[in-house]
Amino acid sequence: AQSVTQPDIHITVSEGASLELRCNYSYGATPYLFWYVQSPGQGLQLLLKYFSGDTLVQGIKGFEAEFKRSQSSFNLRKPSVHWSDAAEYFCAVGVRGSTLGRLYFGRGTQLTVWP
Amino acid sequence: DSGVTQTPKHLITATGQRVTLRCSPRSGDLSVYWYQQSLDQGLQFLIQYYNGEERAKGNILERFSAQQFPDLHSELNLSSLELGDSALYFCASRDRGNTGELFFGEGSRLTVL
Repeated sequence: AQSVTQPDIHITVSEGASLELRCNYSYGATPYLFWYVQSPGQGLQLLLKYFSGDTLVQGIKGFEAEFKRSQSSFNLRKPSVHWSDAAEYFCAVGVRGSTLGRLYFGRGTQLTVWP
Repeated sequence: DSGVTQTPKHLITATGQRVTLRCSPRSGDLSVYWYQQSLDQGLQFLIQYYNGEERAKGNILERFSAQQFPDLHSELNLSSLELGDSALYFCASRDRGNTGELFFGEGSRLTVL
C-alpha cells in the first residue's frame, strides 16, 4: 500500500537560513510526487511535482526537491527561508493508471520562521 | 486562486444532522476529488468523480455520499453527523492532462457540536 512519511512534525528556522523538509514514501513503482503548502485558512497550493526525468525539480517560491529512488525520498529544500514561508507543508504520492489524481499525503510539517 | 470554488466556507451544526457541501471545479476539468482533513487522520481521500461517474472510493463512511452533476459541480452529503466528523473538507479538480496534479479549493470547515 502507498504511504508517505514526514518525520518532522514541526521545524523552526531563522529567516535567511536554509531549509530541508524530509519526505519518504512507500510505493511499488515509480510514483508521482508532490509537495503542497497550506497557509492558515487556505487551501493546498502546489509547490512542485515530479513525474519523470530530471530528479531535481524546481518549484515556485524558490523551492526545489530531489527524488532519490534508492532512498524512496523526495526532500524539499530552500536555500534561504523568508518569513512568508511559515506554513504547513505536505508531501504526497500519486499513483498512475485509472486512479490518477488520488493522492496519499503525509501528516505534514509545520514550519515556523523566526525573524 | 486555484479556480476551484467550495461553499460554504464554514458550517456549524449539531450531531445527527445532515449537511451538503458544494464544489465547482476549474473550468474544463472533468474530475472532482473530495478529501477530508482532520487532526486525527490527516488528509484522507474520500471519493473521486469523473464526468458524472464515480471512479474511486477511499475512506468514505457509509453515512457520506457524493455526486457530480451534468454541469460538473459536485456535492458531498454528510448525514447522521457525529462529533468526529468535524473536519476541513477539500474539493479538488484535475486537469485533462496526464499529470495527476490536483487543484484544491479553500475547503469547507465543518464543526459538529
